[in-house]
Amino acid sequence: EAQVTQNPRYLITVTGKKLTVTCSQNMNHEYMSWYRQDPGLGLRQIYYSMNVEVTDKGDVPEGYKVSRKEKRNFPLILESPSPNQTSLYFCASSSGQGYSPLHFGNGTRLTVT
Amino acid sequence: RKEVEQDPGPFNVPEGATVAFNCTYSNSASQSFFWYRQDCRKEPKLLMSVYSSGNEDGRFTAQLNRASQYISLLIRDSKLSDSATYLCVVKGDSSYKLIFGSGTRLLVRP
Repeated sequence: EAQVTQNPRYLITVTGKKLTVTCSQNMNHEYMSWYRQDPGLGLRQIYYSMNVEVTDKGDVPEGYKVSRKEKRNFPLILESPSPNQTSLYFCASSSGQGYSPLHFGNGTRLTVT
Repeated sequence: RKEVEQDPGPFNVPEGATVAFNCTYSNSASQSFFWYRQDCRKEPKLLMSVYSSGNEDGRFTAQLNRASQYISLLIRDSKLSDSATYLCVVKGDSSYKLIFGSGTRLLVRP
């Protein structure tokens, strides 16, 4: 089954404790992206990647890191989480061509205390 | 000005009603357009793509007006299960990047 898998689904952590949210897709998609969603602000792009070893900042990259060492994986790293990073996070992938849609993971609800 | 703008709603309509949402975009070079549906606390899912000639999928009709830079979604014979947030999505001119509107919330009441 074609899918984007994110883990964990829920995460509660404390300020400053490094964490990684994993994202994996099995569709051989070139394009992968991370979004955060906050009430009233919609989906905002954090980072995206157009292929292996190619990453770029989205609209709200501060406080986040990503890597794309393999085509299927695109982890999101918070080196020193802060309470303003409490949010709902989505990973998504696409072939990137024309009208190809984004496929989303189930989301990760992160709380930083 | 936001790149993609939507009326946040909520639109509160009775079952069986027809409801329409509009979305405006600022980049005239945008090439691809979509409507996504998002249920509460769940991931967005593609509802339909929006083609230049307009397209229909059952009770849903999408239109694109390039001259005025807006897209629309029409839902006929609303069902309770249509209650969700509808996201307008625009793809840029030369990149893979998709830009999301903030969404329009629809509530269909019995």
